[in-house]
Amino acid sequence: GAVVSQHPSWVICKSGTSVKIECRSLDFQATTMFWYRQFPKQSLMLMATSNEGSKATYEQGVEKDKFLINHASLTLSTLTVTSAHPEDSSFYICSARELRPPTNEKLFFGSGTQLSVL
Amino acid sequence: AQTVTQSQPEMSVQEAETVTLSCTYDTSESDYYLFWYKQPPSRQMILVIRQEAYKQQNATENRFSVNFQKAAKSFSLKISDSQLGDAAMYFCAYRSGNDMRFGAGTRLTVKP
Repeated sequence: GAVVSQHPSWVICKSGTSVKIECRSLDFQATTMFWYRQFPKQSLMLMATSNEGSKATYEQGVEKDKFLINHASLTLSTLTVTSAHPEDSSFYICSARELRPPTNEKLFFGSGTQLSVL
Repeated sequence: AQTVTQSQPEMSVQEAETVTLSCTYDTSESDYYLFWYKQPPSRQMILVIRQEAYKQQNATENRFSVNFQKAAKSFSLKISDSQLGDAAMYFCAYRSGNDMRFGAGTRLTVKP
């Protein structure tokens, strides 16, 4: 099946620094990628939707200047948490939507990134 | 806005027995998909089963089946012959176009 690689799987950083998380579709082209945030024992909250070659669409309440998303190619999207603070500590998950039918109704998830900001 | 509701925060089932997880959703769209995802302690999201809204037939995947009631906007998951490895968080999800929403999740415990 299709594979989405998310890197790093965990990161610890100091408050005020920026952290970049990568999401790659390894064996398919993803026109759309999604970024989620998950707090402990809670559901996935959609942060933003990124389409290749265009600006990301952010959900209400998500600061676009705080969470920079770049989807420069059909196989790579990045999420950069800028000037991270302890309240940004969370589990971040990406998912990718395949371009071609008949599987384009499927989403393939990365393995997630645990961000801890000290 | 589309919403997905899972009213059972926790469920428990005896090994080899059957359990049903509930999910309701709200949408004004006619074309959409529904999913059940499993999230084990590794936190990797695993697709369990999906249902296209235009299909009347309930989807099945081995021991997993759904009861899709479109008019009632209900989408329950039945797990038959429960196994210890089924223990996880289960999320019901809805997607229409690029709009993807998840329910709050149900934690399933399987008792040996």
